[in-house]
Amino acid sequence: AQKVTQAQTEISVVEKEDVTLDCVYETRDTTYYLFWYKQPPSGELVFLIRRNSFDEQNEISGRYSWNFQKSTSSFNFTITASQVVDSAVYFCALSEARGSYIPTFGRGTSLIVHP
Amino acid sequence: DGGITQSPKYLFRKEGQNVTLSCEQNLNHDAMYWYRQDPGQGLRLIYYSQIVNDFQKGDIAEGYSVSREKKESFPLTVTSAQKNPTAFYLCASSPFFVGVNTEAFFGQGTRLTVV
Repeated sequence: AQKVTQAQTEISVVEKEDVTLDCVYETRDTTYYLFWYKQPPSGELVFLIRRNSFDEQNEISGRYSWNFQKSTSSFNFTITASQVVDSAVYFCALSEARGSYIPTFGRGTSLIVHP
Repeated sequence: DGGITQSPKYLFRKEGQNVTLSCEQNLNHDAMYWYRQDPGQGLRLIYYSQIVNDFQKGDIAEGYSVSREKKESFPLTVTSAQKNPTAFYLCASSPFFVGVNTEAFFGQGTRLTVV
């Protein structure tokens, strides 16, 4: 069965620090999709990135970057020069054909950025 | 604007009462989902539907019921059989093959409190 593990429950940093949120996944499918979502205090999940299993190229979007490594089944998310507005809960998710493409989520990592 | 609308945002229920949470989408998505979020538990799947007039149980379906009579609508009923219904409920929708071309989109959530 597919599974997503976010071992970091809560991370606290001071503004301008870099921070990495870890995501480890399990799947038996060769084709699968990985996602990161941000959940601000308002509650709605905001989509950040989607990756398919055939594309291991790292991606950078502004202060955000993602490192996808199939060899370690990890899809880590780094925020560079963190800001107070980055404070939120971040979820990693996985969908696969064996799972009827139903997104499975990790438990989330709460990021607190102090001014 | 296209999106997912959940209502109400806050809901209070007396013990022993059934209550229905609304979820409507105008994205023309085939699939719709209900997740429950508790502190430290991440998002857990309650029910999902990938086609009109069909739905499947997720990981924690006991005490809940759904219907999918229209493509746009996927209401969730929390019955009196649900022993611990106080939680944040998120509705999502997506094309059938989540990840192939797109991600799942989420509503703003309904916070249910049993009083």
